[in-house]
Amino acid sequence: KAGVTQTPRYLIKTRGQQVTLSCSPISGHRSVSWYQQTPGQGLQFLFEYFSETQRNKGNFPGRFSGRQFSNSRSEMNVSTLELGDSALYLCASRGAGTAGELFFGEGSRLTVL
Amino acid sequence: AQSVTQLGSHVSVSEGALVLLRCNYSSSVPPYLFWYVQYPNQGLQLLLKYTSAATLVKGINGFEAEFKKSETSFHLTKPSAHMSDAAEYFCAVRKNSGGSNYKLTFGKGTLLTVNP
Repeated sequence: KAGVTQTPRYLIKTRGQQVTLSCSPISGHRSVSWYQQTPGQGLQFLFEYFSETQRNKGNFPGRFSGRQFSNSRSEMNVSTLELGDSALYLCASRGAGTAGELFFGEGSRLTVL
Repeated sequence: AQSVTQLGSHVSVSEGALVLLRCNYSSSVPPYLFWYVQYPNQGLQLLLKYTSAATLVKGINGFEAEFKKSETSFHLTKPSAHMSDAAEYFCAVRKNSGGSNYKLTFGKGTLLTVNP
């Protein structure tokens, strides 16, 4: 079974630009979550989607948005990029187990110059 | 709100020595607890999970963790460290209260170094 796939793996943008990151969950998984990982703040929850609906949202500004498609693939978008948005963005899909464990992709590393 | 504290941002052990990574949690209701490992330039890999079925949980790669409610702890151990265990380890908590909130709250991570 293929794992969670994130594209692109690496990207460089400049301040003020926008970026779109893509995530394909494990086949059969309907929930996708996004996390931001930085050396200073660690792993922070961005949002979770289930069946195309946003279920939960973290404490991030409105520049961070996401969506989920009918095939469960998800995208997140960051507009008007700031230097502080440089981070590893991790996507995770949730299995059907009662604990709700998450299975992570390898991440998209965004550098904002 | 749930929170996780990982004691020691950096732990160094010799190959073959015991690995002990500490995690304490705070939760208003019984939690689900997880340990993840992250190798350089990779995502997080699930090592093990606590779901209240058993207090001693065995995971992959020889790791195990014991849930101690009285100490609000979920420490990760491995009897004998291997060079390949060098990585960053994260403890995470999720509230076990049903519903649709599957957000994980992570600790700051512990970087494990294994010396030959």
